[in-house]
Amino acid sequence: GAVVSQHPSWVICKSGTSVKIECRSLDFQATTMFWYRQFPKQSLMLMATSNEGSKATYEQGVEKDKFLINHASLTLSTLTVTSAHPEDSSFYICSARGKRDYEQYFGPGTRLTVT
Amino acid sequence: TQLLEQSPQFLSIQEGENLTVYCNSSSVFSSLQWYRQEPGEGPVLLVTVVTGGEVKKLKRLTFQFGDARKDSSLHITAAQPGDTGLYLCAGAPPWEYGNKLVFGAGTILRVKS
Repeated sequence: GAVVSQHPSWVICKSGTSVKIECRSLDFQATTMFWYRQFPKQSLMLMATSNEGSKATYEQGVEKDKFLINHASLTLSTLTVTSAHPEDSSFYICSARGKRDYEQYFGPGTRLTVT
Repeated sequence: TQLLEQSPQFLSIQEGENLTVYCNSSSVFSSLQWYRQEPGEGPVLLVTVVTGGEVKKLKRLTFQFGDARKDSSLHITAAQPGDTGLYLCAGAPPWEYGNKLVFGAGTILRVKS
């Protein structure tokens, strides 16, 4: 149980275009999902908290208009990187809160490369 | 300043050796989790410790939560190449609304055969 998927697993896009990443909880409902960014050999950096049916809560320094989050259902949250630039290239990981509030289950990540 | 200080940052050892990774804080946490992550994949939850002084074992891995719930350790006995990866500790601060986790900086473990 507690499986989280992400799609796509990797994507290459041109500078200026937008990219959508999907995060799905496959065998449980997740009212709360989280989006992280990770640089090579570093820890996870929380970008935003996604709540089903309401606006996402962004961490300080994360541009809301650039990283659009939509949590339309109890099993799906999406992150759209708008007008992507090379500096947005990174590994993006989502997680879903489990039955116990303090447990999170992570997706396999999405490698974004902006050329 | 990192809320959760994780050490060491990097560890390279021979197969069969033992090792300990530490996760320390000056703050009290409701719980602490340990994750293991391989390159290009998401973190996988290994264990959650909730009670002060709690010890949990997962095969050759032993996890301990400090009595004051401010620190935790991960001990691996007779490490194997398959243990190689990034180990992350994460805590749930009781003062944080929204069930956010605070992550340590991570420990890169390399076990050589």
